[in-house]
Amino acid sequence: GAGVSQTPSNKVTEKGKYVELRCDPISGHTALYWYRQSLGQGPEFLIYFQGTGAADDSGLPNDRFFAVRPEGSVSTLKIQRTERGDSAVYLCASSPGLAGATILTDTQYFGPGTRLTVL
Amino acid sequence: AQKVTQAQTEISVVEKEDVTLDCVYETRDTTYYLFWYKQPPSGELVFLIRRNSFDEQNEISGRYSWNFQKSTSSFNFTITASQVVDSAVYFCGVYNFNKFYFGSGTKLNVKP
Repeated sequence: GAGVSQTPSNKVTEKGKYVELRCDPISGHTALYWYRQSLGQGPEFLIYFQGTGAADDSGLPNDRFFAVRPEGSVSTLKIQRTERGDSAVYLCASSPGLAGATILTDTQYFGPGTRLTVL
Repeated sequence: AQKVTQAQTEISVVEKEDVTLDCVYETRDTTYYLFWYKQPPSGELVFLIRRNSFDEQNEISGRYSWNFQKSTSSFNFTITASQVVDSAVYFCGVYNFNKFYFGSGTKLNVKP
């Protein structure tokens, strides 16, 4: 079956612009995660959805970052007034969200990421 | 403060050699989870293992093995008889205080 897909694969924008990054999780997966990976660093957790609701958004760096998952499937990460420091690869992952599973025990499947470059 | 340290930035080995990737973590929590992920050149992170802080038994999965030493806050990863396909960046991580922390990764180059 299809894995997690992310679009676009690359996004170049100018400082101050608004961007949207899309994630299509594996069909049937109820949990969805966003991470940010800067060059030479490990992934940095941003937000976690269980269904349509954000179960944990403590990793969002500031109020310029927002994510939605209105129908419990596709998610969009939105960044307002982009800054050069936002340049990174944004990773999305999904997991089955099985009954009784938690964010810790549910294996995450990652997409290829969106490389965002803010000029 | 950095939560996970992977001191080895890059390692190169010849195929069939054994290699150990080091991971040292920092946490004040008594309950936490440790992870290893592999990131091949394609970029997609692949989950390898998860271990909770109460389970100090070492684990072996094929050519992979993990050594969890709570006394030294280490969770090292060994690949036995390495193969070219093992070439990737490997990330160690810890989950505590409701957040995930990843190390900066170790790039493993396995040469034929």
